[in-house]
Amino acid sequence: NAGVTQTPKFQVLKTGQSMTLQCAQDMNHNSMYWYRQDPGMGLRLIYYSASEGTTDKGEVPNGYNVSRLNKREFSLRLESAAPSQTSVYFCASRDHRQGYGYTFGSGTRLTVV
Amino acid sequence: SQKIEQNSEALNIQEGKTATLTCNYTNYSPAYLQWYRQDPGRGPVFLLLIRENEKEKRKERLKVTFDTTLKQSLFHITASQPADSATYLCALYTGGFKTIFGAGTRLFVKA
Repeated sequence: NAGVTQTPKFQVLKTGQSMTLQCAQDMNHNSMYWYRQDPGMGLRLIYYSASEGTTDKGEVPNGYNVSRLNKREFSLRLESAAPSQTSVYFCASRDHRQGYGYTFGSGTRLTVV
Repeated sequence: SQKIEQNSEALNIQEGKTATLTCNYTNYSPAYLQWYRQDPGRGPVFLLLIRENEKEKRKERLKVTFDTTLKQSLFHITASQPADSATYLCALYTGGFKTIFGAGTRLFVKA
């Protein structure tokens, strides 16, 4: 099925551990995004990549890094996890032609203890 | 900065009725506004996009209005069904590659 694939679906980390969240899309979209979703809050943009080879900070980039590996893949890395990074993370891609919204992955539920 | 307000209280309605969800925003009017559906444990799914020069847009049982004077969008589901129960998110394009999302309103449709 066409869409955005994220791995893993669930992860528990200890404070200070590192991990990489993987994301791939097969829709040939130029732009890709990482959001986090916390209870009672809207999705907040962490980083985005307007096109292959470029990345930019969003609203809440501290504690994260990203890599746009190629047009399909956009990974999010937590170098030293903190409890404040406990959240659900969503990867998304978008076709910026008029009338199209974001396509989201199914999410990664991350708990940092 | 731009802010979005969606009713944090859940909306409970009877099957067959029309559900109306509200999205209010502050500051400047965005070029367009989007609505998404999100089911528990899943990612948001894009439903509709409405531009600032459009007053209304329809898709099957869905209708979205956009009032730039009131700084408000209304999302309607007509002839609602239990399967429409979900959280609905409003999202405003703020320029460049950035969009801000509301926290969403949960809708429960009772059979």
